[in-house]
Amino acid sequence: AQTVTQSQPEMSVQEAETVTLSCTYDTSESDYYLFWYKQPPSRQMILVIRQEAYKQQNATENRFSVNFQKAAKSFSLKISDSQLGDAAMYFCACGSGDKLTFGTGTRLAVRP
Amino acid sequence: DAGVTQSPTHLIKTRGQQVTLRCSPKSGHDTVSWYQQALGQGPQFIFQYYEEEERQRGNFPDRFSGHQFPNYSSELNVNALLLGDSALYLCASSLLEDRGTGKMEQYFGPGTRLTVT
Repeated sequence: AQTVTQSQPEMSVQEAETVTLSCTYDTSESDYYLFWYKQPPSRQMILVIRQEAYKQQNATENRFSVNFQKAAKSFSLKISDSQLGDAAMYFCACGSGDKLTFGTGTRLAVRP
Repeated sequence: DAGVTQSPTHLIKTRGQQVTLRCSPKSGHDTVSWYQQALGQGPQFIFQYYEEEERQRGNFPDRFSGHQFPNYSSELNVNALLLGDSALYLCASSLLEDRGTGKMEQYFGPGTRLTVT
């Protein structure tokens, strides 16, 4: 069984600033993946970044990076140089065998 | 390259009725997963289909059933609708062989918004 917890229902960031979204998870699987998905008002879930649990190096995708702390079961997302288009719901997810378990999401607002 | 498509976009049904939602996976994908996303919540896994068979199932009652066709498209059926079935239903596709390569990634469709009155 897997659980994912996002303790920040809402976050706000000034345009061009940096924001960090928190996520903790629990899983009994030894082989798993962690994801951050973005869901704008259009409802389409868009993959932001992915981390393989067996890799120690933190994943980076342009302005998005993660801080993966395996022992602490923590997987936070850092968004640098925030843009207005980053405003959306962000979901953390843990995946094993294609089944994804999602957190309850963090709504990110970007102030111009 | 066509992404994941779902139909219909919106649907309104009455309690007790039955509904069928449809999904076409991303080109080249062979696995389809269905998720239910209630308002204000994260998606919850319903089940997954590969080679026309259900491979995994989440904690959903038997009223939820599915099917996968030879062209990999899929249907989600919900019988005896309850008010609590009102949600956004998301379909996601993936390629099974990617599971062991570190590429595990699911592509999501835009969803079907089901309202049960």
